[in-house]
Amino acid sequence: AQSVAQPEDQVNVAEGNPLTVKCTYSVSGNPYLFWYVQYPNRGLQFLLKYITGDNLVKGSYGFEAEFNKSQTSFHLKKPSALVSDSALYFCAVRALNSGYSTLTFGKGTMLLVSP
Amino acid sequence: ETGVTQTPRHLVMGMTNKKSLKCEQHLGHNAMYWYKQSAKKPLELMFVYNFKEQTENNSVPSRFSPECPNSSHLFLHLHTLQPEDSALYLCASSPSSGTETQYFGPGTRLLVL
Repeated sequence: AQSVAQPEDQVNVAEGNPLTVKCTYSVSGNPYLFWYVQYPNRGLQFLLKYITGDNLVKGSYGFEAEFNKSQTSFHLKKPSALVSDSALYFCAVRALNSGYSTLTFGKGTMLLVSP
Repeated sequence: ETGVTQTPRHLVMGMTNKKSLKCEQHLGHNAMYWYKQSAKKPLELMFVYNFKEQTENNSVPSRFSPECPNSSHLFLHLHTLQPEDSALYLCASSPSSGTETQYFGPGTRLLVL
């Protein structure tokens, strides 16, 4: 069975500072990995994904994530945080060989960026 | 904005009521999903439909009944719900089975009294 762990319920960072939101995963075979963001009273919005290739994936709004196979991690990063980045972030994994596009999500990490 | 719409956005119902949630996607996708989102918990996949056929029922109680009349529409029929069913119900779609990126609607916030 596949699983995702987001060890931090909340991450606090000052505007302009770099941010990292952590994610580790467990899956049989090669993973598809995703980050989604949820703003208040909204659905989940796709940020970026890793399938294969370059371990550093660039996504929307200046976010990027680094796939690390040995550490089974896929941490989300941004060099300079904005107050508008404050939201709930979800990491998700899908096994490459599963028959359907079912994702397993983490419980989410709330990112709070202070002015 | 994402091409997936959900109605109603908010719903309050008693435990004896019957109501339905509606999801519509305008993206030409063939797979649709219902998720339940509760506070401080991971998203729970409830149902998956692929080309109108239900391909997954994730041990969901029978008081939740999905319906997919075509690839663009997905319903979740609710009856005799419990207060613990109060949550945000999210619909998503993807191009087809085996295609990984899912696109989500804004959700229906359900409160069961």
